[in-house]
Amino acid sequence: DQQVKQNSPSLSVQEGRISILNCDYTNSMFDYFLWYKKYPAEGPTFLISISSIKDKNEDGRFTVFLNKSAKHLSLHIVPSQPGDSAVYFCAASKFRVSDKLIFGTGTRLQVFP
Amino acid sequence: DSGVTQTPKHLITATGQRVTLRCSPRSGDLSVYWYQQSLDQGLQFLIQYYNGEERAKGNILERFSAQQFPDLHSELNLSSLELGDSALYFCASSVAPGSGELFFGEGSRLTVL
Repeated sequence: DQQVKQNSPSLSVQEGRISILNCDYTNSMFDYFLWYKKYPAEGPTFLISISSIKDKNEDGRFTVFLNKSAKHLSLHIVPSQPGDSAVYFCAASKFRVSDKLIFGTGTRLQVFP
Repeated sequence: DSGVTQTPKHLITATGQRVTLRCSPRSGDLSVYWYQQSLDQGLQFLIQYYNGEERAKGNILERFSAQQFPDLHSELNLSSLELGDSALYFCASSVAPGSGELFFGEGSRLTVL
């Protein structure tokens, strides 16, 4: 049972435009959400997170939106840069109960000039 | 560089064999996590240790075992290897359970022939 789903395996965006990566979850007990970025031959690196008490968190070019009623979150990258080309993983946890992260399958973002 | 060190980076072995993957967490981190990433899959949580004690268990096979030593490094032992065990194995660490962000190593790529 995939509790965290990223339905788009890949996304291609032109440099300077907005990239929107989506993530859906099924477990209403999740209360903390994170995005990780992964380059080839490297481990995932933390990008941005959001608690379930918020609906938006912004960090520079990266913004995460959380829609609890729809059990959906999205990562917006504006403007997109070629260096953003990587695989992005959405992750969730039941922060108050367990700190293990449940990951989605990832979305490969390609930003072209 | 996340500060998490994993060895070996690559390992090729035959079915039925046993291997040990090693992880040194970031300095000061007490919690260690092991994840498995098979081809085109997300990161599957295997097991977590905190200060030498097992804290949480995920979809870890009985053929697999792990431990965390007094110096906080951790080892993941995989035995009676099967072709399907071929994957990237990531170790991650955090300061303490519930701190949210995990810091990942570069992974150990296991190929079972």
